[in-house]
Formats: sequence, C-alpha cells, structure tokens
Amino acid sequence: QSVLTQPPSVSGAPGQRVTISCTGGSSNLGAHYDVHWYQQVPGTAPKLLIYVNNNRPSGVPDRFSGSKSGTSASLTITGLQAEDEADYYCQSYDSHLSALVFGGGTKLTVL
Amino acid sequence: QVQLVESGGGVVQPGRSLRLSCAASGFSFSSYGMHWVRQAPGKGLEWVAVIWYDGDNKYYADSVKGRFTVSRDNSRNTLYLQMNSLRAEDTAVYYCARPAYTSAWSQQIDYWGQGTLVTVSS
Repeated sequence: QSVLTQPPSVSGAPGQRVTISCTGGSSNLGAHYDVHWYQQVPGTAPKLLIYVNNNRPSGVPDRFSGSKSGTSASLTITGLQAEDEADYYCQSYDSHLSALVFGGGTKLTVL
Repeated sequence: QVQLVESGGGVVQPGRSLRLSCAASGFSFSSYGMHWVRQAPGKGLEWVAVIWYDGDNKYYADSVKGRFTVSRDNSRNTLYLQMNSLRAEDTAVYYCARPAYTSAWSQQIDYWGQGTLVTVSS
C-alpha cells in the first residue's frame, strides 16, 4: 500500500487530454511538501517530468503540466501522443516517515 | 555529464548478503546526498535509503531497516548498499539516484542510474 494513491491505469486517444491524480495525507502533500512526477518507459529508469508541483525540466514538452492543492496533486497531459504511453509516478516527502514516498504508479495507454 | 553506474546485482539465496555499488561521475559527488530506490518486477518505485553528503546521516525505509546499510566513499565517488538477511521480497531492480539539490535531499530526483537487478531465490 503506497503512501500516495494513484489510479492504476488511465487511457486516452491521440490528441485527447488525460489527468492522473495523486492523493496523500497530512504528513506529506497536506504538510505543504512539494510533489514531483516521473515518467518511466518499461525497462528504463524513471525520468523527471514535473518538479516542485508545476515546473518542467528543460526538454519536457509543455503538453505536460502539474498542479497541487491541499492533500492532492494531478498531472495533466494534453494532445496525447503515442510516445506518451508509459508509467507515471508521483513523489513527495513524508515527515512522519522521514522518507521519500512514491505513488503506486499509473499506466497510461494511448488507444 | 552526470553518470551513475550501479553494479553488484545478481542471484542470491534467502538469508545471504550482497553489496551494491554505484559509481558516480560528472558532478561533485561529495556535495550531494544520495538515494537508493528499488522496483520489484512489475511493481512500482519504492524508496530504500538516503545518505547525506558527508555520510553523517542516513534514513531507511521501514522494510529494510536493520538489514540494509547505506554508505559512501567520497574519495572514490562511490555509493554502496550493504544488504543482509535478504528475503524473496527484496527481489528488485535497485537504482542509485541523485537529488536535484545539494541542500535538500527530500526534493526531486534528477538523475538515475540504469539499475542493477537483485534476485533473491533458493
């Protein structure tokens, strides 16, 4: 059971918009700790996609955006492309555990 | 450029030990805290441990506390993970990972190694 909760899967057709949620609690997202998002193509290492809630590293298309409010966060992908098919993870810090915490991951399927 | 190269993975019997290494290059290794993160086959990411830049502070996931020890040799730019009393549920790809900031290990990870597979099986 992950400290951060994500839906196991989402899907969308090319060109559509999808949103992946990440729900935490009072000792992580609710305690104002930042959320970060990673993209992982199976068989490869994770790649930083969004950092500090809503910032994109250089090279990440602006089709990817993030937001955070209270104990929840979300990753939105607009203009879906086939290459976006991957697993997505949210991550934060938990003060009760003194640990980095990850969501369980969401598999995005592009139909 | 930043490179993190893990080694030391393999097949080990339950109850035995294994030591992983992570060779770092392309940045000031001694300025950064460093993480180990693992991923069991077909499962999600699980944070394992962090060690501060100077090795003075270490934190562990409850699942490995008392069995795993993280250490570093800043003169060799190398991070280690000593894994004792291994269990089947420790089977995973182990990644060494660098946080984005020298001053805040709890923030995002911006570099990951390619991972090394540890299989615990009799």
